[in-house]
Amino acid sequence: EDQVTQSPEALRLQEGESSSLNCSYTVSGLRGLFWYRQDPGKGPEFLFTLYSAGEEKEKERLKATLTKKESFLHITAPKPEDSATYLCAVQIDRGSTLGRLYFGRGTQLTVWP
Amino acid sequence: GAGVSQSPSNKVTEKGKDVELRCDPISGHTALYWYRQSLGQGLEFLIYFQGNSAPDKSGLPSDRFSAERTGGSVSTLTIQRTQQEDSAVYLCASSLRAGGTPYEQYFGPGTRLTVT
Repeated sequence: EDQVTQSPEALRLQEGESSSLNCSYTVSGLRGLFWYRQDPGKGPEFLFTLYSAGEEKEKERLKATLTKKESFLHITAPKPEDSATYLCAVQIDRGSTLGRLYFGRGTQLTVWP
Repeated sequence: GAGVSQSPSNKVTEKGKDVELRCDPISGHTALYWYRQSLGQGLEFLIYFQGNSAPDKSGLPSDRFSAERTGGSVSTLTIQRTQQEDSAVYLCASSLRAGGTPYEQYFGPGTRLTVT
């Protein structure tokens, strides 16, 4: 059974305290791994797509990496405005379900001043 | 440019009533998706449309749920005879296409459905 697991469920950081969020996946035929940010009461906001092991992408204080079994979202010197729920999702190569995303339950990040 | 829009933003309905939720995708996006997000749960896939192809309905939880997409653009998700377990945030997303290189999906703000 395909699974996407995110850890930790919740993370509290002091402003400036760098850390990493984990997304592990057990799927066959990975086509892409996506990271989203979701603020309360809003829809998920796209951050990154990673396609193959070894790939890295950066945006401001965020850096996403991918291996054959997991992805990390590294947050460097976070600020309070980085507080949100971060979602990981995968798209797999499986016939008619080609387009759908399989989501993890997310990591709720709180950054306090 | 304009993002994905959904209406209504909130909907409160009585058990047993039918509801319609609307989604306007980003112009030019041929793929459209519906997901459901329940409290404490991850996003659950419901259905997706790709161009003129038959929709993938594999995620619809029961035959009370249906969706259509008119003219390759606007989509409506209909829930008949609503039940309390249908209470959730219904999210719509669109992407350039569903096949080939996996394109990112852009989400709307969601419709919060409460069934009393």
